[in-house]
Amino acid sequence: GEDVEQSLFLSVREGDSSVINCTYTDSSSTYLYWYKQEPGAGLQLLTYIFSNMDMKQDQRLTVLLNKKDKHLSLRIADTQTGDSAIYFCAESIRAAGNKLTFGGGTRVLVKP
Amino acid sequence: GAVVSQHPSRVICKSGTSVKIECRSLDFQATTMFWYRQFPKQSLMLMATSNEGSKATYEQGVEKDKFLINHASLTLSTLTVTSAHPEDSSFYICSARRGISLGNEQFFGPGTRLTVL
Repeated sequence: GEDVEQSLFLSVREGDSSVINCTYTDSSSTYLYWYKQEPGAGLQLLTYIFSNMDMKQDQRLTVLLNKKDKHLSLRIADTQTGDSAIYFCAESIRAAGNKLTFGGGTRVLVKP
Repeated sequence: GAVVSQHPSRVICKSGTSVKIECRSLDFQATTMFWYRQFPKQSLMLMATSNEGSKATYEQGVEKDKFLINHASLTLSTLTVTSAHPEDSSFYICSARRGISLGNEQFFGPGTRLTVL
């Protein structure tokens, strides 16, 4: 079955790195995604990684994928106050029509 | 590129009325659009998947006669909440996927907050 889990909350100081973790259960994931949601807004796609990769870097964002442990992480370098938001990981599975299954979201609070 | 809009952004209606929400892909053609519902401080729940020109596929537990979805063109999908009741109050978000994309990404609209009195 499909199950994606994230920790609820992360507090970090401005300028430090943030690491948001996600675990999933379906090993047939095709792609894994990170989305950002600010209050009252839709979801902004931050980055995604193909399931046969183990790392992807995009400016301040680094995604690590451990397929054996079914663990995905998002590292934000030099975290800024504008990074305060809810971050969702999601997986898509080809056999399920590439529908997205979302984690519960991690609320990140950046303190000045 | 890959901008998705929703209209209206906020709507308040009386119980028993119907409400239509539009989802548009502004700068790309969306072969598939998705409708989600999000309760406060919760994750997104997929309601249905719609492909242009065909009937929507609803997730288990979602009433297709209550949540009518029409995907009339490659840039427009509508969700109509029929005979709305207070328990239908929620944040409704659509997303759109391009026909050809390397990562099968879904691009999300800004959401519509529905309040049923």
